[in-house]
Order: sequence, then structure tokens, then C-alpha cells
Amino acid sequence: QVQVVQSGADVKKPGASVKVSCKASGYTFTDYFIHWVRQAPGQGLEWMGWINPDSGGTNYAQKFQGWVTMTRDTSISTAYMEVTRLTSDDTAVYYCARQAVPGNHFDYWGQGTLVTVSS
Amino acid sequence: SYELTQPPSVSVSPGQTARITCSGDVLPNQYDYWYQQKPGQAPVLIIYEDNKRPSGIPERFSGSTSGTTVTLTISGVQAEDEADYYCQSADSRGTYWVFGGGTKLTVL
Repeated sequence: QVQVVQSGADVKKPGASVKVSCKASGYTFTDYFIHWVRQAPGQGLEWMGWINPDSGGTNYAQKFQGWVTMTRDTSISTAYMEVTRLTSDDTAVYYCARQAVPGNHFDYWGQGTLVTVSS
Repeated sequence: SYELTQPPSVSVSPGQTARITCSGDVLPNQYDYWYQQKPGQAPVLIIYEDNKRPSGIPERFSGSTSGTTVTLTISGVQAEDEADYYCQSADSRGTYWVFGGGTKLTVL
């Protein structure tokens, strides 16, 4: 069965970077785009961008261009999302989600990773 | 830019029908999708391509479209339906995704 498992919660200081992992299993990793979505405490869902695990190509929401990087390691079916220059505004639960094929929606989600930015 | 607008909250009594709207200029040209999110959990897809239900989603959940507004309808609301609901769409090239602000459904 399809599973998407993320790394555990993390606490970072302002100005630091954080890298969240998203390990997929139960399907061919390179056949489905992986998206990243974040949710600040008490707030809604915010789309960040996607990575094509096959080519490594990426597409970021304008807001995140230049300080968020999405990568993947096909040998271990894992996608990564790194946020640099963290501020308290980046405190959020970060989700990875698989894009359905065909379709422009998300059929499987990771459990979420809470990143807390605090001095 | 693509924006989707939802009411912040909707309240209904058990057994009644809840309707949650989502408005956006992109909606007449693109499919819309709906997710349910309960506290502390990841979102779950409940409607895709305007009005289709994934396997395992109860029939009481349905979707409809009318111009720039799409509607999630929950017929015969149950206590377990209390959650946040988000609409979502994407541009035609698949390069930009957007979520509505979310609607908190309260079952009185």
C-alpha cells in the first residue's frame, strides 16, 4: 500500500535552515510528482511547490523562490524540502503530498512535520 | 493571481445539510478539489474533479459547480463531519496550485 512518511519534528533558531524528508513506498517513486504544503498554527494550507522525482525538476510558488529548495534521492525514494534563513513566521507543519495521476490534486499525504523556529 | 475564497465558518445541526462555497475566477476553467482536515491530522481528499468521490468517502459528500463558485455539500451531517474543509485548484499548465482559506464546519 502507498505510504508517505516524513521526518520528525524539529526546533531551529532564527537564521538557521531546516531540511524535511519525505519517504515514499508502495509505488514507483519516479512516476508521481511530490508537492510541499505548509500550515502555520491555526492557519490554512499554503502550497509551496513541487518536485518531479524523475527529472529533479522543480517549481516553486513565487513566495518561496530563492529560500526553499526541493530535492530528491531516487535510490531511497525520498524527497527533501529545505527552508533557509528561518524566521518565526516559518513555524508551521510542513506536509509532503503525492500528486495524483492523472489529476491536479493530492491523493496521499505525509503525516506532517512540525518545524518550530524559536530563539 | 489565483485566489480561492471560502467562508471562515459554517454551522449546522446533525442531520441537516451543510453547504460550503469556494469562489475564484479560475474555477470555471479548471477542476476543483476538496479536502477534509481534522485537528492534528493531514488533509484527506474527499472530492476530486468537481464532483467525484474517492473510494471510501461517504455518499453524503458531493460537489457541484456554477460559474466562479463551487460548492461542497454534506447531506445528513454527522458529528464526525466536524472539521476544516479546503477547496483547491491549479492552473492549466500545472505550475501553480492554490488552496482556499478553509472553512470550519461546526456540528451543533
